[in-house]
Amino acid sequence: QKEVEQNSGPLSVPEGAIASLNCTYSDRGSQSFFWYRQYSGKSPELIMFIYSNGDKEDGRFTAQLNKASQYVSLLIRDSQPSDSATYLCAVGYGSASKIIFGSGTRLSIRP
Amino acid sequence: EAQVTQNPRYLITVTGKKLTVTCSQNMNHEYMSWYRQDPGLGLRQIYYSMNVEVTDKGDVPEGYKVSRKEKRNFPLILESPSPNQTSLYFCASSPDRGRLETQYFGPGTRLLVL
Repeated sequence: QKEVEQNSGPLSVPEGAIASLNCTYSDRGSQSFFWYRQYSGKSPELIMFIYSNGDKEDGRFTAQLNKASQYVSLLIRDSQPSDSATYLCAVGYGSASKIIFGSGTRLSIRP
Repeated sequence: EAQVTQNPRYLITVTGKKLTVTCSQNMNHEYMSWYRQDPGLGLRQIYYSMNVEVTDKGDVPEGYKVSRKEKRNFPLILESPSPNQTSLYFCASSPDRGRLETQYFGPGTRLLVL
């Protein structure tokens, strides 16, 4: 059974600080890794994807992948109240035809 | 405007009454997928389709059917809904199976089975 694990939170971070979200996965054959943001009652929105070991930066967001340790993380710098949402980690496998989501981490940015 | 549409957005039904949730995309995408989302469980993939007439099971296909007769449409069929299928359903599409980073999600369909 392939699994993607996330701490459900809530994770509370002061405005302007760095929010760190973590995710572990069970299938060593996983090939693609995604972070989605989901506001309450809305559809998921992709914010980062990463395929190779190391860091990938896009604006205030950095995704980090460590395949040897089977974890992927998301850093959000200069956290804003609008970053308050649930963050879903997702892992693709099977020639990227299938995708498994974690249960999500609820992030709250306090002013 | 590029979009994935789902209908209906909200549905209340009773156990055993067949229903169909439609999904349509206007981006000529080959890959389409259905997910359900339940509290504490994240999104779980129900079925996916890599192209017309090509469908395959995701992680939770029991109780669902799909069809892909046209590229733009990917309906989800519940032949005999049960209360455990009460959930929030999302349809999504992407250009092809290897490009999930460009997966577009529909707005969701909230289903209540009594």
